[in-house]
Amino acid sequence: LAKTTQPISMDSYEGQEVNITCSHNNIATNDYITWYQQFPSQGPRFIIQGYKTKVTNEVASLFIPADRKSSTLSLPRVSLSDTAVYYCLVGDRYTGGFKTIFGAGTRLFVKA
Amino acid sequence: DSGVTQTPKHLITATGQRVTLRCSPRSGDLSVYWYQQSLDQGLQFLIQYYNGEERAKGNILERFSAQQFPDLHSELNLSSLELGDSALYFCASSALAGTDTQYFGPGTRLTVL
Repeated sequence: LAKTTQPISMDSYEGQEVNITCSHNNIATNDYITWYQQFPSQGPRFIIQGYKTKVTNEVASLFIPADRKSSTLSLPRVSLSDTAVYYCLVGDRYTGGFKTIFGAGTRLFVKA
Repeated sequence: DSGVTQTPKHLITATGQRVTLRCSPRSGDLSVYWYQQSLDQGLQFLIQYYNGEERAKGNILERFSAQQFPDLHSELNLSSLELGDSALYFCASSALAGTDTQYFGPGTRLTVL
């Protein structure tokens, strides 16, 4: 099971682009990288998932270098409502026996 | 709305008691996960079921148990409750057995007095 390391917290201002990097040095060949967002007292919400290179959806982009030992979640033009905890998760998408470990996450605080 | 439902929303009980939390996964999802989140803590994975069978186990206490029924809903049983068991308990579901996208329910807030 790949372990992840993220910054504990980050601050930003409205309108800025925010990049949160996650390290996963022992990622396995079949592992995917998934990011979740969690607001206080709510369940986490899926943001984006990728395997390699770049993935983009309507809310974020995920950059994964060729060695896949890290990944960067990019949030364009953040707003106050993006203040939340962001979790990086790595694991095999298809096989069973996977122990989901969310870790402490990165607490993003967006200021006006 | 994720499509995952959890009941009850809030639960207040006393130490030593036993409670049951219920989760209904999204339609078509076969995997159910249970997580515990104490105040200002990260999500702690407890256990996963896939199509009725236990698939993975995290740091789930022996006082806790879970099961997934033929209709795929799941229940988490917490017994001999202690003050430290007070937390938000989340259920999530996914289509696949692995690290597929998980859809989380709104959680059950358990308070042990």
